[in-house]
Amino acid sequence: DSGVTQTPKHLITATGQRVTLRCSPRSGDLSVYWYQQSLDQGLQFLIQYYNGEERAKGNILERFSAQQFPDLHSELNLSSLELGDSALYFCASSRSPPPDTQYFGPGTRLTVL
Amino acid sequence: GENVEQHPSTLSVQEGDSAVIKCTYSDSASNYFPWYKQELGKRPQLIIDIRSNVGEKKDQRIAVTLNKTAKHFSLHITETQPEDSAVYFCAASRLVPGTASKLTFGTGTRLQVTL
Repeated sequence: DSGVTQTPKHLITATGQRVTLRCSPRSGDLSVYWYQQSLDQGLQFLIQYYNGEERAKGNILERFSAQQFPDLHSELNLSSLELGDSALYFCASSRSPPPDTQYFGPGTRLTVL
Repeated sequence: GENVEQHPSTLSVQEGDSAVIKCTYSDSASNYFPWYKQELGKRPQLIIDIRSNVGEKKDQRIAVTLNKTAKHFSLHITETQPEDSAVYFCAASRLVPGTASKLTFGTGTRLQVTL
């Protein structure tokens, strides 16, 4: 158990819908990262937050957005869902300053039908 | 931005043999190189990491080597066991004190340890 929690574990929804994925970082970690992993694919970095502020953006679609709240938990919002959005979504957290090891949560499996 | 290439994409070894996975990176300022193991349907788990001020690091059957000049690093697993079967990801990052940083991952190596 890495100490990072994600809810829900599984999510099944229909195309065109909107969902919210939630992540709670490890105690003391200020940074949260979101990754997307499609079937048999690598980890695609989506976005990073540090102490409430967006720090880096990766391959995140305009239909996706995220935020980090004052209590440091983070939410990833996915809207106008398409079949191709079906994937495992991982959240990771890290402590700053270095060492900056990222610890991953268990992931949310999103299935869009 | 950083680009990380990983080889091979699949690797099959017999139990007890060694396995080596190699990665190259493009950003010469990268200074942190972790390796993650991911079992099917599970989260990536950190197995070992190395920073650029060190050339080699070992932890039991696992070792990582770093060649900063050539910008490549490798994972070595000795005396492989069936439970080592998983997908392994390398990653690279530039750590700046006081800030967080993002990891750039390789595309993964599926390791299969056969009996």
